[in-house]
Amino acid sequence: KAGVTQTPRYLIKTRGQQVTLSCSPISGHRSVSWYQQTPGQGLQFLFEYFSETQRNKGNFPGRFSGRQFSNSRSEMNVSTLELGDSALYLCASNSGRKADTQYFGPGTRLTVL
Amino acid sequence: ILNVEQSPQSLHVQEGDSTNFTCSFPSSNFYALHWYRWETAKSPEALFVMTLNGDEKKKGRISATLNTKEGYSYLYIKGSQPEDSATYLCAPTNFGNEKLTFGTGTRLTIIP
Repeated sequence: KAGVTQTPRYLIKTRGQQVTLSCSPISGHRSVSWYQQTPGQGLQFLFEYFSETQRNKGNFPGRFSGRQFSNSRSEMNVSTLELGDSALYLCASNSGRKADTQYFGPGTRLTVL
Repeated sequence: ILNVEQSPQSLHVQEGDSTNFTCSFPSSNFYALHWYRWETAKSPEALFVMTLNGDEKKKGRISATLNTKEGYSYLYIKGSQPEDSATYLCAPTNFGNEKLTFGTGTRLTIIP
C-alpha cells in the first residue's frame, strides 16, 4: 500500500503571496490532518478533514484554510504569507476512527522570504 | 488546549545503555496516548497507541507504560543502538477532543 504523499516537497515564496499544499492519504483512509512544525515548537495541529468536512480545527488564523475532495485528497492553503509561516507542513491520514494511528507524509518545507 | 510536557528535552546515551523518558499530560477526560518516533529527514513513525491505565506495550527493544490516573507515560529503550537516535514525541487525546496534541519531544542521540 502506498504511503501518504505530499507535494511539493519544497517551496519558496515571498511575503504576501499565497500557497497551496497537497496531500494524498493512504488508500482507504478518510481522515486527513495537517500540522505545522517550526524550530523550537512541537507539531502544531492546524485542522482535520473527514469525509470532505472540517472536523477539528487548531488555533491558527483564518489565513490558513483547507479542503478535502471526494477521493479524500486534501489541500491546504495559506494566504498573505508571512515570514513566520516558514515551516515544515506535515499531513497525516487515518481511518477517522477515534485514537486510530496517524500515518504521516514526508512534509512540505515552505520558506517565506 | 492540552498541556503536554516531555522530559528531558534532549538526551545523549552511550550505545548499549538503556534509557527512558517521560510524557506528562492532564489526566482528566483522558482517552488515548500516542508515541511517535521521528528520525531526521523522515516522517514521524507511530510506535504505540495506549488507552488503558496500567497498559504496557512493547516493540522490540522499546516499551512504554501508561498511568492515566496521574497523567504520565514512560518510554523505555533497552540496549540503545545508533538507529534509535531520533526525536520521540507523545500526543494525548481527550474525550470530545480527538485531535492529537503533541509534546515538543525528547531528542535522543546514541553515542557509538
